[in-house]
Amino acid sequence: DQQVKQNSPSLSVQEGRISILNCDYTNSMFDYFLWYKKYPAEGPTFLISISSIKDKNEDGRFTVFLNKSAKHLSLHIVPSQPGDSAVYFCAASALQTGANNLFFGTGTRLTVIP
Amino acid sequence: DAGVIQSPRHEVTEMGQEVTLRCKPISGHDYLFWYRQTMMRGLELLIYFNNNVPIDDSGMPEDRFSAKMPNASFSTLKIQPSEPRDSAVYFCASSLEPGRNYGYTFGSGTRLTVV
Repeated sequence: DQQVKQNSPSLSVQEGRISILNCDYTNSMFDYFLWYKKYPAEGPTFLISISSIKDKNEDGRFTVFLNKSAKHLSLHIVPSQPGDSAVYFCAASALQTGANNLFFGTGTRLTVIP
Repeated sequence: DAGVIQSPRHEVTEMGQEVTLRCKPISGHDYLFWYRQTMMRGLELLIYFNNNVPIDDSGMPEDRFSAKMPNASFSTLKIQPSEPRDSAVYFCASSLEPGRNYGYTFGSGTRLTVV
């Protein structure tokens, strides 16, 4: 059963506009969340993360928001650029349980149209 | 460091044949993970090692799958016998502190096709 869900398989956005990618999780023990970006024929690469003690983390054009009560997080990219076109994976871990593995969603393919 | 190195990049094999995927983690990383990517399930954890010892193999689909880590610089994932439903991209990742900071560093993956 998927504990991390990305319900939108794809998203298209015009260059310069905001991209919003969503992720939901079911396990209340998750306390650390990450976003990975994946280009074709490459492995996923780390993008940004957030701890459950925060509700927002920002790094340049990328901001992750966490809503623990809704078990929902989102990644905002502003402004979107054609180079942002990739598959984005949401991931979560339950560090408080001592677990060391990440649970990933199914990914959202973002296309930024020039 | 060259990053996590996986080989081969592509593998095409016939059903019933043995397949061995290889991974060299980043030097100094004491965690190694094997993931499988499919359209339906995204990235699924198959097994992970800490200091060369398998910690959690609950994601290994069946007895046809096995993984070893004989030393800190090498791991293999073997499928014997292979079946068409094993076709997927298999990723290896390594980490110092899984789940924190930068999480994992992934290799480029092995695309396996079983015909």
